[in-house]
Amino acid sequence: QKEVEQDPGPLSVPEGAIVSLNCTYSNSAFQYFMWYRQYSRKGPELLMYTYSSGNKEDGRFTAQVDKSSKYISLFIRDSQPSDSATYLCAMTPIPTDSWGKLQFGAGTQVVVTP
Amino acid sequence: EAQVTQNPRYLITVTGKKLTVTCSQNMNHEYMSWYRQDPGLGLRQIYYSMNVEVTDKGDVPEGYKVSRKEKRNFPLILESPSPNQTSLYFCASSLGPRDYEQYFGPGTRLTVT
Repeated sequence: QKEVEQDPGPLSVPEGAIVSLNCTYSNSAFQYFMWYRQYSRKGPELLMYTYSSGNKEDGRFTAQVDKSSKYISLFIRDSQPSDSATYLCAMTPIPTDSWGKLQFGAGTQVVVTP
Repeated sequence: EAQVTQNPRYLITVTGKKLTVTCSQNMNHEYMSWYRQDPGLGLRQIYYSMNVEVTDKGDVPEGYKVSRKEKRNFPLILESPSPNQTSLYFCASSLGPRDYEQYFGPGTRLTVT
C-alpha cells in the first residue's frame, strides 16, 4: 500500500468553479505538507506548503491539513483555464535522517474549461 | 536565471547501452535528487545527495548510479538500461536542510527498447 494516496482524475470543472483536491496518507510521522503544480511537459513547481495541522490561504488557493484523519486538501477558488495542470501532494516527516525525502502522491489532473 | 537544467530532454536507446543524463543547477543548492515519474505511481525518488561526495539511495535505486563531484552537477547513470526504466526523469534541487521547496528540471523522457 502506498504511503500517500491521491485520486488521479481527471477532474473537469467549468471556469469559475471551486476545485477541490485531496490526499490521504498512512504515515503519522509526516509533518510538512506540500502541493506542487505540474503543467504539461514541465517539471513540478511548489504551490503551497503547510506545517502540521490547520489552514493556509494564498490568493485563490487554500491548503488544509487534518492530521487526525491523515487527510490534506487543496481548494482553488474562481478557477481559471490557466489552472489546468496536474496537482501533486507531497509530504515529509520532521527532518532527521529523512531530510529532504519527500513522498509524493500520484497527482490529480485538473481541466478547467472556459 | 535560477534554474535546473537536464540533458538530453528526450532519449531513445536500446537495452544494455550505457547512458548518462546530466543535471546542473545554478543556485548553489546543497541538496539534489533524481526522481522518476510513471503513470499512476507519481514521483518516486531514485537517489539523492546532501552535498558533494554525499549520496544515498531513495525508494527505487536499482539499476541506477549517481555521483556528486561538484556542487552544481548530479548526473544519473544507467549502466545497462532495461525496458522497465522507460520513464520520465526529473532532477531537483533545494537550498539545504528544512528547505522543502525543491526546484525541478524540465524532465528527460527516456525510452528503452
